[in-house]
Amino acid sequence: GAGVSQSPSNKVTEKGKDVELRCDPISGHTALYWYRQRLGQGLEFLIYFQGNSAPDKSGLPSDRFSAERTGESVSTLTIQRTQQEDSAVYLCASSPTRPIYGYTFGSGTRLTVV
Amino acid sequence: KNEVEQSPQNLTAQEGEFITINCSYSVGISALHWLQQHPGGGIVSLFMLSSGKKKHGRLIATINIQEKHSSLHITASHPRDSAVYICAVPSRYGGATNKLIFGTGTLLAVQP
Repeated sequence: GAGVSQSPSNKVTEKGKDVELRCDPISGHTALYWYRQRLGQGLEFLIYFQGNSAPDKSGLPSDRFSAERTGESVSTLTIQRTQQEDSAVYLCASSPTRPIYGYTFGSGTRLTVV
Repeated sequence: KNEVEQSPQNLTAQEGEFITINCSYSVGISALHWLQQHPGGGIVSLFMLSSGKKKHGRLIATINIQEKHSSLHITASHPRDSAVYICAVPSRYGGATNKLIFGTGTLLAVQP
């Protein structure tokens, strides 16, 4: 597609439930990033994919968080047993292999855990 | 010390004013990003620059690699420019990850 697409745009879930967030990057972008922004805070890195491998998972806050990517296409971020502190906007970005050639953000998924 | 620092944190301007937002960083970088975030949360990439100056409409971004400093200027500001402006740099020069480190953002409010 023309841009990075994320779905759903909003998600309200009950504490303890699992959620899946989806990111569809720009076609041909080999690199994909997940970031999180909690209310009133800055953006924080979660995980980076190059193709379907994840050389940097250092930002995942706990083992309840996992992500996968199919080839150089869609990525899914899964949060198991959601907690209220997981409430945030989850942003996906994609770029060609080297971001010097372009870096595009999706519009984010706003997750609210009640 | 944060790797990316922005100033000011908050800025209120009158419509038509010339606005400058500053960003300083402490790591060697391949490129610096300026991003805009509106209240809905979505982020738009405004500029990615590695040297000199770029201009897009009323927005101008400059960078001084030697001084590790960049500025974002808005000429003839308008209320629709009200947003959070974020500076970001790759975490590791030439490294494999290329994840971004973000400044804390500058909340700009342009009053009519």
